[in-house]
Amino acid sequence: DVQLVESGGNLVQPGGSLTLSCAASGFTFSSYWMHWVRQAPGKGLVWVSHIFNDGVTTTYADSVKGRFTISRDNAKNTLYLQMTSLRAEDTAVYYCARGGNDWSFDSWGQGTLVTVSS
Amino acid sequence: DIQMTQSPLSLSASVGDRVTITCRPSQSIDIYLNWYQQKPGRAPTLLIHATSRLRTGVPSRFSGSTSGTDFTLTISSLQPEDFATYYCQQTSTRPYTFGPGTKVDLK
Repeated sequence: DVQLVESGGNLVQPGGSLTLSCAASGFTFSSYWMHWVRQAPGKGLVWVSHIFNDGVTTTYADSVKGRFTISRDNAKNTLYLQMTSLRAEDTAVYYCARGGNDWSFDSWGQGTLVTVSS
Repeated sequence: DIQMTQSPLSLSASVGDRVTITCRPSQSIDIYLNWYQQKPGRAPTLLIHATSRLRTGVPSRFSGSTSGTDFTLTISSLQPEDFATYYCQQTSTRPYTFGPGTKVDLK
């Protein structure tokens, strides 16, 4: 079975940094695009970033461009999201998701909570 | 960015009801419209991709369609496990935007 397990969420002060990880199993990780999606408390889903399966091509939402970096280690079957210059509005549950057919997001992790607060 | 609107934003229904949720993108997205279900405290799950393609394992009471500029998710006979929030998403153009969600609760 496909499994995605996020980790690394924590309480961090404004301006701080954090790195999230997403451990993948049950599929050939190197063959799939991967995404990060976030959800602020009580709010809807917002796409954050995506990375091609080769790890070279990446895209970001304007709200995080220049502050967040997505990367992957295909040898370790792990996706990362490095977050810097964190703001209160970055507070959310962060999900990793696998890119599926028709560019849908066909499998999701359980999410990890990032809280930015002093 | 492509804006996604959903209607209604909430609805109350009974078990057995036919439920329809509509999604309208701000510009053409071809067929690249997906539907997700999310239950409280849980991650979203994919129901339908590319407008009408039911994900393997999703019950056949769920269906997707399009008419004009609108996309529709239909639940033919609502079951107790279907009370949840439903999101549409376009994957025609990055950023891949989601609708605001439609919460379906018990009447």
